[in-house]
Amino acid sequence: GQQLNQSPQSMFIQEGEDVSMNCTSSSIFNTWLWYKQDPGEGPVLLIALYKAGELTSNGRLTAQFGITRKDSFLNISASIPSDVGIYFCAGQINTNAGKSTFGDGTTLTVKP
Amino acid sequence: EAGVTQFPSHSVIEKGQTVTLRCDPISGHDNLYWYRRVMGKEIKFLLHFVKESKQDESGMPNNRFLAERTGGTYSTLKVQPAELEDSGVYFCASSSHRIVNSPLHFGNGTRLTVT
Repeated sequence: GQQLNQSPQSMFIQEGEDVSMNCTSSSIFNTWLWYKQDPGEGPVLLIALYKAGELTSNGRLTAQFGITRKDSFLNISASIPSDVGIYFCAGQINTNAGKSTFGDGTTLTVKP
Repeated sequence: EAGVTQFPSHSVIEKGQTVTLRCDPISGHDNLYWYRRVMGKEIKFLLHFVKESKQDESGMPNNRFLAERTGGTYSTLKVQPAELEDSGVYFCASSSHRIVNSPLHFGNGTRLTVT
């Protein structure tokens, strides 16, 4: 089946630093999604991308849908302690289908 | 609006036992999904219900797993008999069929440990 390679696996950063993580795939996706999971909770959607080349921001978060449709990145600017958690990328072949292929997640630790 | 709720939050069972997980989706959401995260790996799709019908069950690992959604409201996922490799976090998610690009709303998951 399809697989997403998400990197890095974990990050330890200082508060105020910028963060970048990405996902690559050998297959094309028509939708890219980025989720955040806080401890003990389920993933929550941060950003959804529907068009190749699309660049979308949500506060301090910025994500881009790669032009080849095989990759996406997420940037977090000026990190704060509450950014701690696991970030997952996910790709969908059929938009609005709900069935997603997820990456392994990037665990982010922010030191105050 | 109440979110997706899952019960129990944790379950520890012995190999060979049976466990039933329950998911209550957001009211009015026809789409219901089960996902699983094993050993810190990716979150993997198990199956998708539209109302009470199984739309896609291509991710179900084997016939020890049985999902139901009688009446098209809550769903159960039964594992019988459980094996060690079934340990992981089982997530349920729901979405509305009435909204284009309706996002998935995940529950907090059930952490299953098989010993």
